[in-house]
Amino acid sequence: GAVVSQHPSWVICKSGTSVKIECRSLDFQATTMFWYRQFPKQSLMLMATSNEGSKATYEQGVEKDKFLINHASLTLSTLTVTSAHPEDSSFYICSARSTGGVETQYFGPGTRLLVL
Amino acid sequence: EDKVVQSPLSLVVHEGDTVTLNCSYEVTNFRSLLWYKQEKKAPTFLFMLTSSGIEKKSGRLSSILDKKELFSILNITATQTGDSAVYLCAVEDNYGQNFVFGPGTRLSVLP
Repeated sequence: GAVVSQHPSWVICKSGTSVKIECRSLDFQATTMFWYRQFPKQSLMLMATSNEGSKATYEQGVEKDKFLINHASLTLSTLTVTSAHPEDSSFYICSARSTGGVETQYFGPGTRLLVL
Repeated sequence: EDKVVQSPLSLVVHEGDTVTLNCSYEVTNFRSLLWYKQEKKAPTFLFMLTSSGIEKKSGRLSSILDKKELFSILNITATQTGDSAVYLCAVEDNYGQNFVFGPGTRLSVLP
C-alpha cells in the first residue's frame, strides 16, 4: 500500500532556532499534501494544504511566515517552523493525497517537536 | 514493520442500517488505538482505546479493543447521512513518537 514517511521522527531544539520537517510519499505522486498539528485530547488541526508547484493554502489562524511550507516535487513537502518557541512544541503529522483510483489520504507517522 | 489494516475500504449503506468497521494492527510497542472521522478538513477525534474489552460509547458510536487478537471495531447504529465520511484508525506506539494510520474506510450512507 501507499506509504508516507516523515523525517525526523522527533526533534528537540532550542528556542529561536528553525526546524525543518520533511514529508515524502514513497511510492506514489502526491500533488496535494496536508500538514496537521495535534492538540490535547488527540484532536488534529489542519494547518495548511500544500500544493506542488504553488503556494500553500493556510487555514485561518495559522501564521504563514511562522510555518513555511514548500512542496518542491510530487513526492516531497517540507514544513519549516521558524524561530521556534516552546508553545510550538507539538506533534506534526502530514498526509498525502493519492489521485489514482479512489482518492485516498495517506498519513505519515508524525514528527514530535520539543522546543526548550 | 508496523502496519494498520482497515476493512472494508468502502461501504455503502442506507439510513438506519448498523455498520461495523474493522481495524487490525501490528505494532511493536502498542500504546493506544485511536479512531477518527474525516469529512472535510482535519480528522475529528472519536475514541482512544488502551485497554482490552472496555467498550467506549458516544451516542450511536461505540468501539472496543482486543489487544490479544490485535484489532478494534467501530460500530455505528441507526446510521444517518451525516455519518458519511472516511473513518480512520491509527495506532500510537508506546513512546508516543509514532502514529501508524490505516487507509481508512469510506462510509456512504444513502437516504
